[in-house]
Amino acid sequence: DAGITQSPRHKVTETGTPVTLRCHQTENHRYMYWYRQDPGHGLRLIHYSYGVKDTDKGEVSDGYSVSRSKTEDFLLTLESATSSQTSVYFCAIRPGPDSGNTIYFGEGSWLTVV
Amino acid sequence: KNEVEQSPQNLTAQEGEFITINCSYSVGISALHWLQQHPGGGIVSLFMLSSGKKKHGRLIATINIQEKHSSLHITASHPRDSAVYICAAPNTGNQFYFGTGTSLTVIP
Repeated sequence: DAGITQSPRHKVTETGTPVTLRCHQTENHRYMYWYRQDPGHGLRLIHYSYGVKDTDKGEVSDGYSVSRSKTEDFLLTLESATSSQTSVYFCAIRPGPDSGNTIYFGEGSWLTVV
Repeated sequence: KNEVEQSPQNLTAQEGEFITINCSYSVGISALHWLQQHPGGGIVSLFMLSSGKKKHGRLIATINIQEKHSSLHITASHPRDSAVYICAAPNTGNQFYFGTGTSLTVIP
């Protein structure tokens, strides 16, 4: 199993509060992704990173920001949480383009915004 | 239109039945993944294939590049196979297209 750890695994927060989810990897993989998973929508990309300090937006990036100051950590921040951001969040990692198309997922972070 | 389409969306089977889940894609891809997600659980990669067929235990995945179609088969299904199965394909931009998943329930 790939070494990916997400924290926290479960969180309940109030509307308007900031929330940060952390994804930590021990594989030294170049690419890291944050997805949200909602019924009827499947996995949707929020942001991804292709290296330290290199990030880009996905299809549902509004209301989210990310940072990657070290290879092993990719942080997802909800600056002011809203009820529409109640979801399950998955981090994923992938080696560089010359290392195949394997992708590994974290265990997920269940976020409830009340 | 989603670049990756799965069918069926939901599937209920009796224990022991042979199960097939289908995935069609409309873009050129270099590989296709089948992922498994148990209720309340994480996502695990079952297969990555770019041609032909792969087998792991009771699970078999096939892909036809010309027809842009892949299937996941489960032989002698068991209640522990109950999960959501997702097909995914990497695009040229280092991202992935995902199907919306097939929810499988196997009844004892």
